[in-house]
Amino acid sequence: QSALTQPPSVSGSPGQSVTISCTGTSSDVGSYNRVSWYQQPPGTAPKLMIYEVSNRPSGVPDRFSGSKSGNTASLTISGLQAEDEADYYCSSYTSSSTPVVFGGGTKLTVL
Amino acid sequence: EVQLVESGGGLVQPGRSLRLSCTASGFTFGDYAMSWVRQAPGKGLEWVGFIRSKAYGGTTEYAASVKGRFTISRDDSKSIAYLQMNSLKTEDTAVYYCTRDRPKAPEVDFDYWGQGTLVTVSS
Repeated sequence: QSALTQPPSVSGSPGQSVTISCTGTSSDVGSYNRVSWYQQPPGTAPKLMIYEVSNRPSGVPDRFSGSKSGNTASLTISGLQAEDEADYYCSSYTSSSTPVVFGGGTKLTVL
Repeated sequence: EVQLVESGGGLVQPGRSLRLSCTASGFTFGDYAMSWVRQAPGKGLEWVGFIRSKAYGGTTEYAASVKGRFTISRDDSKSIAYLQMNSLKTEDTAVYYCTRDRPKAPEVDFDYWGQGTLVTVSS
């Protein structure tokens, strides 16, 4: 079982918005602004999309945004495009013995 | 352009050893911490461990699942990071990714990833 909880799947139609949640605890998401999101299209390596809760690396479209409230972080993708179809993983710094934990991943389907 | 290329994966019997390499280019390798992240077939991502830059002592940290069996090292003169895996178990079967860590402690954001190398542990 993953340390961070994500929904197994979400879906949306082109042009719509979807939000993926990532729920942790006060030992990780709730206490630190070190939440990241990664996109992994089928058969490829993950790509950093969001770091430190809401920051986008250079080259990531502004359709991708991140936020956090309490122990839950969220990734919102607006103006869905077919190319957004992928698995998405969140991660967080944690005060446990392992410094970083991942969520179980969410499969985004663009209908 | 930042590039990370893993090599050394393959089929290995339980209890044996394997060493993975990650050859970096396109950035000053010695300035960055480097991590290894693995993904079992059809499963999610699991952080394996990292090695800090020499400026921060070159120290390492590992996931509990591999601590005592895996060792990460680096050769800054060759821009290569290594993952030495000993006493391999079937549950270590995964694609192993080399990543570059964003230069902000703690080193928990991975801004570049290699293409991955598959390690299969089976008799």
